[in-house]
Amino acid sequence: DQQVKQNSPSLSVQEGRISILNCDYTNSMFDYFLWYKKYPAEGPTFLISISSIKDKNEDGRFTVFLNKSAKHLSLHIVPSQPGDSAVYFCAAYDRDDKIIFGKGTRLHILP
Amino acid sequence: GAVVSQHPSRVICKSGTSVKIECRSLDFQATTMFWYRQFPKQSLMLMATSNEGSKATYEQGVEKDKFLINHASLTLSTLTVTSAHPEDSSFYICSARGWGRDASTDTQYFGPGTRLTVL
Repeated sequence: DQQVKQNSPSLSVQEGRISILNCDYTNSMFDYFLWYKKYPAEGPTFLISISSIKDKNEDGRFTVFLNKSAKHLSLHIVPSQPGDSAVYFCAAYDRDDKIIFGKGTRLHILP
Repeated sequence: GAVVSQHPSRVICKSGTSVKIECRSLDFQATTMFWYRQFPKQSLMLMATSNEGSKATYEQGVEKDKFLINHASLTLSTLTVTSAHPEDSSFYICSARGWGRDASTDTQYFGPGTRLTVL
């Protein structure tokens, strides 16, 4: 039973445009969410996080939006750059403080 | 951001041998360390959680006698794959949770991973 879902396994976006990666969760007790970026054969790199008391958090080109009523969050990258091509994992802390990951979305930035 | 190192980055071993992977948090003390395994094109699977000085907590389905975890200090954890077999070939990633230098909250930071190939 997946508690964190990333329904799009891949996404292609033109360089310079906005990339929007989506994530849904099922557990209303989750109160902290994170996005990680991962290149092949490397460990995930922390990108940005958001607490459930906020609905938006911005860091440079990256913005995460949280819609608690819909149990949905999204990561916006603008403008998209070639180096953004990677797998992006959405994650949430469960009540035991363990990170639960989604399956990831592979983002391709097209030239 | 905080740095977590893993050693070795790649290891090839014969079936039946044991392999030790080290994980270090380089610029912060990790309250908790985690070990993950990633199969090709799949998400990271948590294997176990360890706190310094205490026994690791293993996830369901993970054999604790096969995957030995030692958390010797607040900056070092080791994973030993005992009597490795080809099905243990995978990408193993450690993670350390703590307060990185610029962090406003404690965050989980990941190592670069170790590619294990068992022949």
